[in-house]
Amino acid sequence: EIVLTQSPGTLSLSPGERATLSCRASQSLSSTYLAWYQQTPGQSPRLLIYGVSSRATGIPDRFSGSGSGTDFTLTISRLEPEDFAVYYCQHYDSSPPLYTFGQGTKLEIK
Amino acid sequence: QVQLQQWGAGLVKPSETLSLTCAVYGDSFTGYYWSWVRQPPGEGLEWIGEINHSESSNYNPSLKSRVILSVDTSKNQFSLRLNSVTAADTAMYFCAGQVDATVRFWGQGTLVTVSS
Repeated sequence: EIVLTQSPGTLSLSPGERATLSCRASQSLSSTYLAWYQQTPGQSPRLLIYGVSSRATGIPDRFSGSGSGTDFTLTISRLEPEDFAVYYCQHYDSSPPLYTFGQGTKLEIK
Repeated sequence: QVQLQQWGAGLVKPSETLSLTCAVYGDSFTGYYWSWVRQPPGEGLEWIGEINHSESSNYNPSLKSRVILSVDTSKNQFSLRLNSVTAADTAMYFCAGQVDATVRFWGQGTLVTVSS
């Protein structure tokens, strides 16, 4: 089973700054099934990025995803107040079918 | 656009069965896989399992022995039953819909507390 490890656990930044969130897989991902979600307190998660680097419908272009192999990154180019939330990466393995989430990175206002 | 609305008991006694249902509105029920994901208080997300309209299902091995997923295509609904619950099953439970191995849609969540 692939384990996703996100870092840092908490990231403290100010509005306007650039955020870089990491998701590392315990083994190289053979597919591009890597997604990122945003969750604000009391809300359901929201899809941001799928297929490593494709933005979901309605997601601003300040959000971008990249990576390959075992290392993947979510970048928020210029933080807006509404971006302070918890972010999760997620991978799908087809054999056997299993969705795995990272433990999350909390992005907080500095 | 797909909307999911879920409901079920918010308090379940230890050793009993947790039961939740999710209704799908707005798009084709047959075009997606439907999942349940849970989140213990203050913790991360855990995928429970998925099912499609033809009752093809997959489960997280860690929960497989206690989970039953079902669908009612006449009502565009799918359901979760989790047997023999303990305090460790206390969590927010989300229904969800995915395509291309990505969770695209989420229900509003139901907090289920296991307590006597």
